[in-house]
Amino acid sequence: KAGVTQTPRYLIKTRGQQVTLSCSPISGHRSVSWYQQTPGQGLQFLFEYFSETQRNKGNFPGRFSGRQFSNSRSEMNVSTLELGDSALYLCASSSRVHVGRNYGYTFGSGTRLTVV
Amino acid sequence: DAKTTQPNSMESNEEEPVHLPCNHSTISGTDYIHWYRQLPSQGPEYVIHGLTSNVNNRMASLAIAEDRKSSTLILHRATLRDAAVYYCILRAPPSMNRDDKIIFGKGTRLHILP
Repeated sequence: KAGVTQTPRYLIKTRGQQVTLSCSPISGHRSVSWYQQTPGQGLQFLFEYFSETQRNKGNFPGRFSGRQFSNSRSEMNVSTLELGDSALYLCASSSRVHVGRNYGYTFGSGTRLTVV
Repeated sequence: DAKTTQPNSMESNEEEPVHLPCNHSTISGTDYIHWYRQLPSQGPEYVIHGLTSNVNNRMASLAIAEDRKSSTLILHRATLRDAAVYYCILRAPPSMNRDDKIIFGKGTRLHILP
């Protein structure tokens, strides 16, 4: 089955702009989580959406927001971009209901955002 | 804060077994132990998970201490393609209602020597 698809793969934006990243989860998965990965901070949890509702939020400013649609696809938005927002943004899908042996997250390949 | 502790890096020779340790002394009785790995330029990849008993799959084995305060990921015969950062994490049991947030630590960077 198809994996987690993130678009775009690469993005260059200017400070002050906003950006929207997209994530399509594995078919049947209703939970989508977002992570930011930087060399200095590693993988940091941003938020999780389940059934179109934000269920959990990490320690990021309000400039970071997201949403989930009825087909479980999710978008993440960052407004007023700062240089420090340059990072790899990863999306992961999972089922909150145990599905046999594989109760795990499936990650996409990420969107590499560069803010200049 | 990460609830697991792993060595920053480890080295192993190709075709030899590798034992990657993880300490999770504050694990709750219902937390699952998951392992992921991240190859260069890719997102993390699920490796294995377990609750109490040792687990095996085609990628690796997971040995869980009797008190569940530590675990070890075992790669039986390391190859160069196993060079990656390995993350040990704790995850709450599946539930429609419980918070589902994974906290990643820094992981262990595994180097495989040819």
